[in-house]
Amino acid sequence: AQSVTQLDSQVPVFEEAPVELRCNYSSSVSVYLFWYVQYPNQGLQLLLKYLSGSTLVESINGFEAEFNKSQTSFHLRKPSVHISDTAEYFCAVILNTGFQKLVFGTGTRLLVSP
Amino acid sequence: KAGVTQTPRYLIKTRGQQVTLSCSPISGHRSVSWYQQTPGQGLQFLFEYFSETQRNKGNFPGRFSGRQFSNSRSEMNVSTLELGDSALYLCASSLAGTTNTEAFFGQGTRLTVV
Repeated sequence: AQSVTQLDSQVPVFEEAPVELRCNYSSSVSVYLFWYVQYPNQGLQLLLKYLSGSTLVESINGFEAEFNKSQTSFHLRKPSVHISDTAEYFCAVILNTGFQKLVFGTGTRLLVSP
Repeated sequence: KAGVTQTPRYLIKTRGQQVTLSCSPISGHRSVSWYQQTPGQGLQFLFEYFSETQRNKGNFPGRFSGRQFSNSRSEMNVSTLELGDSALYLCASSLAGTTNTEAFFGQGTRLTVV
């Protein structure tokens, strides 16, 4: 069975500093990879996804993630964070089986302070 | 274009009661998935419906059930509520229900069992 590991439950960082949120996955079959963000009392919003092609994917708000097949990782990075980036971030995988069934990591709370 | 709508947003029920939650997907989307989010277990897949058929089910007891109507709207039902069923229930819809299509999440229904 597939699984997703987010080792950091909480990452405190100062505004304008760089940040990396780590995600590792385990699966015996090919997967698609996603990062979702959740603001307080809200649902999940897709931040970015890797389906195929270039291993570096970017979002419109400055986040990027790189798919590394050999290390089975999909770490999320941002070179300079804003206060408004404070939220919980979830890494997720979906098996290439044809069904919509996301398997989520436990989440990383990003705390950006001034 | 309206997003995924979940009703109600908040719900308080007594142990032993049953509850029905509703999800209206984005217009044209045929796949609806349900997830349970709790502090202890994180985000867990409940089930997925496509064209009124349940295609996949997570590891939840039979007290959790769902259905999808011909207009793609979906309901989930939990019978004989337990305190541990207190959670945020999230619904997601996607256009084709395939793994390479984005899932859009609603804001969730927060269920509290007392």
